[in-house]
Amino acid sequence: DIEMTQSPDSLAVSLGERATINCKSSQSVLYNSDNKNYLAWYQQKSGQPPKLLIYWASTRESGVPDRFSGSGSGTDFTLTINSLQAEDVAVYYCQQYYKSRTFGQGTKVEIK
Amino acid sequence: QVQLQESGPGLVKPSQTLSLTCSVSGDSISSSTYYWTWVRQYPGTGLEWIGYTRKNGVPFYNPSLKSRVTISRDMSKNHFSLQLTSVTAADTAVYFCARGELWWDSWGQGTLVTVSS
Repeated sequence: DIEMTQSPDSLAVSLGERATINCKSSQSVLYNSDNKNYLAWYQQKSGQPPKLLIYWASTRESGVPDRFSGSGSGTDFTLTINSLQAEDVAVYYCQQYYKSRTFGQGTKVEIK
Repeated sequence: QVQLQESGPGLVKPSQTLSLTCSVSGDSISSSTYYWTWVRQYPGTGLEWIGYTRKNGVPFYNPSLKSRVTISRDMSKNHFSLQLTSVTAADTAVYFCARGELWWDSWGQGTLVTVSS
């Protein structure tokens, strides 16, 4: 299995500031034949199912605010939330789909 | 707008079989190009992909669960189902159905299944 490790486990950010979440895979999720990173990001608010934010590591899902962005390649990825809003309080997960499907353990984002 | 809804028993005894159904509206599982997936979430946070069924009806499972899992579909009812055999307390989780193969863009609200005698 490809293990996904997120850091930090939690972070508190002031409203309007930037939140940065890291995700590291135990092996590369970059598929050489199409040069795509097989990685997605989700947001899960309390009592709700996960919501897809980003796929192919950096492609924003339709309707997702542009303050959310994904970057990285190979084994190291980042989800950035610019200008954090109160409604962004949630747990965020990365997920690889290069081999089978596995998730990171989640990062809890709170307001400072 | 596709909607998914899980249903099934909330309590299952150890060693028995967990059975859940996901009813789909707003899309047809028989004609859709999408795949139809089960994911579970353990108490706390951990998420685990269970498997999916494809348009051709051939399922694909998480290797770690493959020996105990069956995902099937009923096109006449536009729903798909999960069966997990020989359950233990470690199978206690919220079970979600979702749409997609690589990533999942639509999810049900989830249903809690507790394994306990």
